[in-house]
Amino acid sequence: AQTVTQSQPEMSVQEAETVTLSCTYDTSESNYYLFWYKQPPSRQMILVIRQEAYKQQNATENRFSVNFQKAAKSFSLKISDSQLGDTAMYFCAFMKGAGGTSYGKLTFGQGTILTVHP
Amino acid sequence: NAGVTQTPKFQVLKTGQSMTLQCAQDMNHEYMSWYRQDPGMGLRLIHYSVGAGITDQGEVPNGYNVSRSTTEDFPLRLLSAAPSQTSVYFCASIDWNSDTQYFGPGTRLTVL
Repeated sequence: AQTVTQSQPEMSVQEAETVTLSCTYDTSESNYYLFWYKQPPSRQMILVIRQEAYKQQNATENRFSVNFQKAAKSFSLKISDSQLGDTAMYFCAFMKGAGGTSYGKLTFGQGTILTVHP
Repeated sequence: NAGVTQTPKFQVLKTGQSMTLQCAQDMNHEYMSWYRQDPGMGLRLIHYSVGAGITDQGEVPNGYNVSRSTTEDFPLRLLSAAPSQTSVYFCASIDWNSDTQYFGPGTRLTVL
């Protein structure tokens, strides 16, 4: 079974600064995906970024980027130029790749509450 | 596209009552799933379906039933609600082209 661990229950950052959220996971699979989801107070789950395990290049989406260290099973999220609208709960999630019976099942970490201060 | 929709947004039940949480998607996704979110525990998988007529259990299935008669709909039934089922429930579907799950807006359920 897969496990996902987010060791930072809460983080805070000043507007316009950079913050990094940590995530580690444990799996014996070689084909999988990793995701970061954002959950603002509206509770809507919003996909921030995804990473395929077979790709060595780190994914980037505008101000959001990841540091994917496959050997270390680490998947951190960096938010640059933080904005007040980034205030939310952030979840790291693992999903096994296609071809197995566990495809599609997301395993989530406990979440990190990020607060951006003006 | 409306994406993934859920009804109701909020619900209060008494212990022992039954109800159905509705979920629908208009993206023709075969894979759909139900998660519950409890404080400090992230989201956990309740049930999932890989297509019409096919369902299976997730991590926390006890007390819940599902069925999938159409590609679009995937309702979640609570047969006899218990206070331990107080939670926020999310429905999701997968876009197999991008291997990405899309979530509905959630239902906050309180069982008294």
